[in-house]
Amino acid sequence: GAGVSQSPSNKVTEKGKDVELRCDPISGHTALYWYRQSLGQGLEFLIYFQGNSAPDKSGLPSDRFSAERTGGSVSTLTIQRTQQEDSAVYLCASSFQASNTEAFFGQGTRLTVV
Amino acid sequence: AQKITQTQPGMFVQEKEAVTLDCTYDTSDQSYGLFWYKQPSSGEMIFLIYQGSYDEQNATEGRYSLNFQKARKSANLVISASQLGDSAMYFCAMTPPPNDYKLSFGAGTTVTVRA
Repeated sequence: GAGVSQSPSNKVTEKGKDVELRCDPISGHTALYWYRQSLGQGLEFLIYFQGNSAPDKSGLPSDRFSAERTGGSVSTLTIQRTQQEDSAVYLCASSFQASNTEAFFGQGTRLTVV
Repeated sequence: AQKITQTQPGMFVQEKEAVTLDCTYDTSDQSYGLFWYKQPSSGEMIFLIYQGSYDEQNATEGRYSLNFQKARKSANLVISASQLGDSAMYFCAMTPPPNDYKLSFGAGTTVTVRA
C-alpha cells in the first residue's frame, strides 16, 4: 500500500477483554515497530521486528502484551485481559531497514478500556 | 538510561515568524542519535530532522534546523517562517547505540501558528 495501515482506528473494549490491533507495513519494509502513546505523552517503545530475526520485545510492559509478525509482513499486537491503564494510542511504523530516519508511521489505533 | 526533556508544553507563534522548541537530554552514551518528529492532529508521526552525536555541523532540512549543543546536552528545533500547517505536536527523541531503532521520546510541545 501507499503507507502504513493500522486497524481498527478506534477500539473501545471492556476491562478484562482481549484485543487485537493490526498493522500492515509498507510493502518491502523489513523492519516493523510498535509504540504506545499515552494521553499527553511521548511514544513508548514496545517491540521491534526485523526480517527473520528474533524480535526485540524488551518494551512490552507486561506478559499480557504479545505481538507477532506473519510472513514478514502484517503484524498483530495482542493485549489480553485489558486494563484501564492500557488505554492509549498504539502506533506502528515500518522501514526498509533499521533506520528511524526512514521509518513511516501509521495513524495509530486509539484503544479505550472502559 | 536515557531521558528526554521538553519543558514547553505549548507555544503560540505568529505566521511567518520563527519558533524555537527546546529539548534537553541525558545520556551516558558517547554515540547517539537525536530526532525531531511532528505529529499533526491526524495522528501519524512525521520525521523532520536527525542529528548524530558526532556530527560537527548542525542539521538542516528546509525550514527546520537543529541547534545542537553537545556540551549542554541540548538539541533545540528551530522552525523558520512558520506556516499554518506547522500547527502540531512536536517530539524530540533519541536512540542509543547499538539498538538504534529504539527511540526514547520527550513529552512533546504543542505549537499553534496564528494567522
